Order: sequence, then structure tokens, then C-alpha cells
Amino acid sequence: GAVVSQHPSRVICKSGTSVKIECRSLDFQATTMFWYRQFPKQSLMLMATSNEGSKATYEQGVEKDKFLINHASLTLSTLTVTSAHPEDSSFYICSALQGAGGYTFGSGTRLTVV
Amino acid sequence: GNSVTQMEGPVTLSEEAFLTINCTYTATGYPSLFWYVQYPGEGLQLLLKATKADDKGSNKGFEATYRKETTSFHLEKGSVQVSDSAVYFCAPTPNTGNQFYFGTGTSLTVIP
Repeated sequence: GAVVSQHPSRVICKSGTSVKIECRSLDFQATTMFWYRQFPKQSLMLMATSNEGSKATYEQGVEKDKFLINHASLTLSTLTVTSAHPEDSSFYICSALQGAGGYTFGSGTRLTVV
Repeated sequence: GNSVTQMEGPVTLSEEAFLTINCTYTATGYPSLFWYVQYPGEGLQLLLKATKADDKGSNKGFEATYRKETTSFHLEKGSVQVSDSAVYFCAPTPNTGNQFYFGTGTSLTVIP
């Protein structure tokens, strides 16, 4: 079946540094990928929609300069958390649109900013 | 607008008990309906889906029926196991777009 590889699964970084999270579709091409954030004990929140070859579409309230999304190829989208702060600590999950309405999710990245 | 209301948790059941997690939604158009499961420490996985009215999605003993008249997609399982302990998310998605609208998630703990 379709697989989306998300890396790293866990990362700890210092305040003020940047962290890049990768989301790869391993056996299919994904023109559209989605980035979600999950706060503790809360639901997933869609952050942005990433389209290959064009600028990402950000949801209201999500800072595009802080959460940089790049979708340079049909199999890779990256989310970079710039100048991270402790409040950015969260669980980030990507998903890729596969074919007609099928979604495959990555395994998620636990980011801890200290 | 689009929204989803999901039964609040946490839910704790004994093994072999019957499970129902309610989900109702509002959506423009005629959405497809999904249930996702997130096991501890893992990402989301698609559990089941239904794409039109009266369709029943099923997987791993779980079932949910697309009820257009009540705009609901309640998740059920006749006999839960300890391994079913996870967080369950209801997610309708409008067919006119690709965005999911996730419910708050319902945490299920099954005790032996």
C-alpha cells in the first residue's frame, strides 16, 4: 500500500533554532500534501496545504514566515519551523493525497523546543 | 461552514464490551466520511470510510454507517479488545475540496 515517510519522528531543539521536518511519498506521486499540528489532548489542526511547484496555502492564524513549507517535488514536502520557541512544541503530522480521495498519513514528528 | 462534533472522551471500557463513538457533522455538499485511528506513539491511520448515503464502512471489527438524514457517522464495535486502545478521529471531507475537518478525537482505553 501507499506509504508516507515522515522524518524525524522525534526532535529536540534549542529555542531560536530552526527545525526541518520531511514528508515523503514513497511509492506514489503526491501533488498535494497537508501539514497538521496536534496540541496535547486536542484535535488535529490543519496548518497548510502544500502543492507541488507552488506556494503553500496557509490556514488562518498560521504564520507562514514561521512555518515554511516547500513542496519542490512530487514526492517531498518539507515543513521548517523557524526560530522555534517552546510554544511550538507539538506533534506535527503530514498527509499526502493519493489518487481519488485517498489519504496517507505520515507517522508524525514530536517536536520539543527547550 | 463545515464542522464535526465528536463524542468527548476519554472512554474506558472492559474487554469485550460494546463500543459506540458518536460523530455528527455539518458540511457543504455531499461529503465522504472517514474514521481515523491513532495508536499510542504512532501517526494516524485510516480505519474505515464511506462515500455515499447508507454505505457502511468496516474494518477490524469496527463499523460506521453514513446517515445522510441525521448527518451522522457513528463508530461501533461489538466487542472491543485491549489492542483497540487508541484515539479515534471522525473526519468528513467535502467532495468539492480536499480538506479534512477532524473531530476532537475520542480516547479509548480498554482494560482487561
